Amino acid sequence: DSGVTQTPKHLITATGQRVTLRCSPRSGDLSVYWYQQSLDQGLQFLIQYYNGEERAKGNILERFSAQQFPDLHSELNLSSLELGDSALYFCASSLQGDQETQYFGPGTRLLVL
Amino acid sequence: AQTVTQSQPEMSVQEAETVTLSCTYDTSESDYYLFWYKQPPSRQMILVIRQEAYKQQNATENRFSVNFQKAAKSFSLKISDSQLGDAAMYFCAYRSHTNAGKSTFGDGTTLTVKP
Repeated sequence: DSGVTQTPKHLITATGQRVTLRCSPRSGDLSVYWYQQSLDQGLQFLIQYYNGEERAKGNILERFSAQQFPDLHSELNLSSLELGDSALYFCASSLQGDQETQYFGPGTRLLVL
Repeated sequence: AQTVTQSQPEMSVQEAETVTLSCTYDTSESDYYLFWYKQPPSRQMILVIRQEAYKQQNATENRFSVNFQKAAKSFSLKISDSQLGDAAMYFCAYRSHTNAGKSTFGDGTTLTVKP
């Protein structure tokens, strides 16, 4: 158990819908990262937040957005969902950012029908 | 942009034997971090080992060790005394020292351990 929690574990929804994935980092960690793992594109970095502010951006679609709240939990919002958005979404956290090891949560499995 | 290549989609090893998983990367940076993560069937991503590029000494964690060749941009993982529980997908990852926490992952190597 990494100490990072993600909810829900599984999510099934329809195309065009909007969903919110939630992540709670390890106690004391200030940085949160979001990754997408799909069958055809492997594991891709989406975005990083550090202490409430966006720190780094990867291959995140405009339909996706994220935020980190004052209590340091983070949410990833996915809108206008498409079949291709079906994937495993991981959240990871680290103490601060650049140099620390990232610890991954168990992931949220999203299926878009 | 950095790229990470794992040239072995699948590997197999006999229980108690040793196996080496390959990883190469491409970067113009001199300071960075390299990681191996294990993803068992549960899909949880588990850190196996970490290497800082500025360290010449190869990292070791119990039965897991790396062969880090900075000039060749190679970062292989050696698993000694393989156990059934080592069966998983293994991902090599690169993280820039300058580009915050952005990590680049390879496509993974599926390791099968035969009893």
